[in-house]
Amino acid sequence: DIQMTQSPSSVSASVGDRISITCRASQDISTWIAWYQQKPGKAPKLLIYGASSLQSGVPSRFSGSGSGTQFTLTISSLQPEDFATYYCQQAKSFPYTFGQGTKVEIK
Amino acid sequence: QVQLMQSGAEVRKPGASVKISCKASGYTFTNYYMHWVRQAPGQGLEWMGLINPSGGATFNAQNFQDRVTMTRDTSTSTVYMELSSLRSEDTAVYYCARGESPSSTLYFDDWGQGTLVTVSS
Repeated sequence: DIQMTQSPSSVSASVGDRISITCRASQDISTWIAWYQQKPGKAPKLLIYGASSLQSGVPSRFSGSGSGTQFTLTISSLQPEDFATYYCQQAKSFPYTFGQGTKVEIK
Repeated sequence: QVQLMQSGAEVRKPGASVKISCKASGYTFTNYYMHWVRQAPGQGLEWMGLINPSGGATFNAQNFQDRVTMTRDTSTSTVYMELSSLRSEDTAVYYCARGESPSSTLYFDDWGQGTLVTVSS
């Protein structure tokens, strides 16, 4: 199975800050990766797919980059509604696997 | 609009089985793969497998290979996930999630609201 390792596991930031979350794959997954946002008690929401494609309706402050084994989700200017947990997911091969999550907290 | 409506919370004893439903609406049911993803309390996401609602073909993660059965009923646009031989570690919220585009197996766009399954003696 492909292992997905996210860092950091948590980050404290303020409204307006720029933050980046990294996801490393245990093998080359090209750009077969997605990013999800999950708020407490809610289902995850697809933000980015194909490493850098913004899902319809997702604000442009979210962006994704990377290929191969190293990927980044960036939020250019944190908004109050962005405080949540973020997960990466590889779609290169079954079984699909997720990173362990990064919790973005208010500083 | 796309809606995935899951069945309600369940409580089971160890060794029992549970069957969860996910009723789809707002799109052509047979055009999109459906996945099942679970999340144990306070933990991350775990992909369980997928079903092609068109032909009924399934693929299950090895972790669940012998315990999970995914089926669909095209007449009601509903997919089902049955998990057998339940153990306490199966206590989790179970989500159905639709593929992000027709015939794509890759990513999960619309999600159900989740079904909490509690396994306890």
